Amino acid sequence: DIQMTQSPSTLSASVGDRVTITCRASQSISRWLAWYQQKPGKAPELLIYAASSLESGVPSRFSGSVSGTEFTLTISSLQPDDFATYYCQQYNRFSYTFGQGTKLEIK
Amino acid sequence: QVTLRESGPALEKPTQTLTLTCTFSGFSLSTRGMCVSWIRQPPGRALEWLARIDWDDDKYYSTSLKTRLTISKDTSKNQVVLTMTNVDPVDTATYYCARSPSVNSVFFDYWGQGILVTVSS
Repeated sequence: DIQMTQSPSTLSASVGDRVTITCRASQSISRWLAWYQQKPGKAPELLIYAASSLESGVPSRFSGSVSGTEFTLTISSLQPDDFATYYCQQYNRFSYTFGQGTKLEIK
Repeated sequence: QVTLRESGPALEKPTQTLTLTCTFSGFSLSTRGMCVSWIRQPPGRALEWLARIDWDDDKYYSTSLKTRLTISKDTSKNQVVLTMTNVDPVDTATYYCARSPSVNSVFFDYWGQGILVTVSS
């Protein structure tokens, strides 16, 4: 199975900050990567697919990029609603795999 | 409006077979290219993909769990069923069903609310 290594595991930041979360694949997955946001007690919500395509209805402060096997989720200016846990997921080939998650906390 | 909802037991005993049902609306699993997956999340831990069923009844399973899982669908009822045999306390998790917009792009655009299943004697 393809391993997805997500970092950092925890990130402390303030409203208005620009933050970056990284996900590295153990082998090439082209652009077949999605990002999700999950709040406590809720199902994940899709933010980005195909590495950089923004899901409909997701604020434009969220963006995704890729360089080789390293994928990045950027939030340009943190809002109070953005404090949550974020997961990446590869769908290049099954078994589909998720990263271990990044918990974004208020500093 | 696409919705999915999981149902099943909240508590299951070790060694038993767990059966979960996903009932959905707003799309049809007979539509070419559509698929539905099951994903689980142990308390405080990461997400784990389990199984997928396609519009044409093709089925795919997690490498590590494939001997214990069976996925099926009832298109007329808009339901997908997952069975897991020989459950263990480590199978305690919230189980989600989720839709993918295409069998060629298996990310998950709609999720159910999840059902917490505890495995304990």
